[in-house]
Amino acid sequence: AQSVTQLDSHVSVSEGTPVLLRCNYSSSYSPSLFWYVQHPNKGLQLLLKYTSAATLVKGINGFEAEFKKSETSFHLTKPSAHMSDAAEYFCVVSVWQGGKLIFGQGTELSVKP
Amino acid sequence: DAGVIQSPRHEVTEMGQEVTLRCKPISGHDYLFWYRQTMMRGLELLIYFNNNVPIDDSGMPEDRFSAKMPNASFSTLKIQPSEPRDSAVYFCASSLEGLAGGPWEQFFGPGTRLTVL
Repeated sequence: AQSVTQLDSHVSVSEGTPVLLRCNYSSSYSPSLFWYVQHPNKGLQLLLKYTSAATLVKGINGFEAEFKKSETSFHLTKPSAHMSDAAEYFCVVSVWQGGKLIFGQGTELSVKP
Repeated sequence: DAGVIQSPRHEVTEMGQEVTLRCKPISGHDYLFWYRQTMMRGLELLIYFNNNVPIDDSGMPEDRFSAKMPNASFSTLKIQPSEPRDSAVYFCASSLEGLAGGPWEQFFGPGTRLTVL
C-alpha cells in the first residue's frame, strides 16, 4: 500500500536562507511523486513531479526535489527563501491502480523577514 | 484555459438545508475528483469519476453525501441534510489519463468554503 509522511508539520526560515521540507513515502510500485503548494485561501498548485526519469526534479519558483529510492525520500528544497514562499506544502504519492493520490498531512512554511 | 471552476466560492447555510456544490473541469480532462479539507482531517478524497462514471466513492462520509457527473463538463456534490460537521473547504480537481492507465497530475479548483450553522 502507498503512504506518505511529511516529517515536519511546520518549518520556519528567514528570507534568503535555504528551505528543506522533508517527505518519506512507502509504495509497492515504482512511485510517482508530487509536491503541491497551497497559499492561504487558495487551491492547490503543482510545484513539481517525479515520474521515474531524472531523480532530481526541478519545479516552479526555484524549487526542486530529489528522489532517493534507498532512503524512500522525496525532500523539497529551495536555495533561498522568499516571503512569497510562505504557504502549506503537500507531498503526494500516486496510486497507479485506482486513480488516487495519497496526500501527506502538509508542512506549513513560514518565512521571516 | 480557465482552469477548474467551482461555484459558489463561499456558502453559508443552516443545519438541515440542502447544499449543492458545482464543478466544471478543464476541457478534455477525463478524471474528476472531489476532496474535502479540514484542519482536523487534512485533505480527504471523497469520490472520483473517470469518463463521467464514478470509480471510487469510498471516501464519501455517509448517505447524506452524493455526487453526480451528468456530462464531461459538469459535476455536483450534494449534501442533504447538511450538518455543522460538514463545514469545510471542498475542492474539485481534474486530470488527464497518464501512464499505466491511471490519472496524472491533478489540477485543483479554488475551492468552496462551506459553513453550516
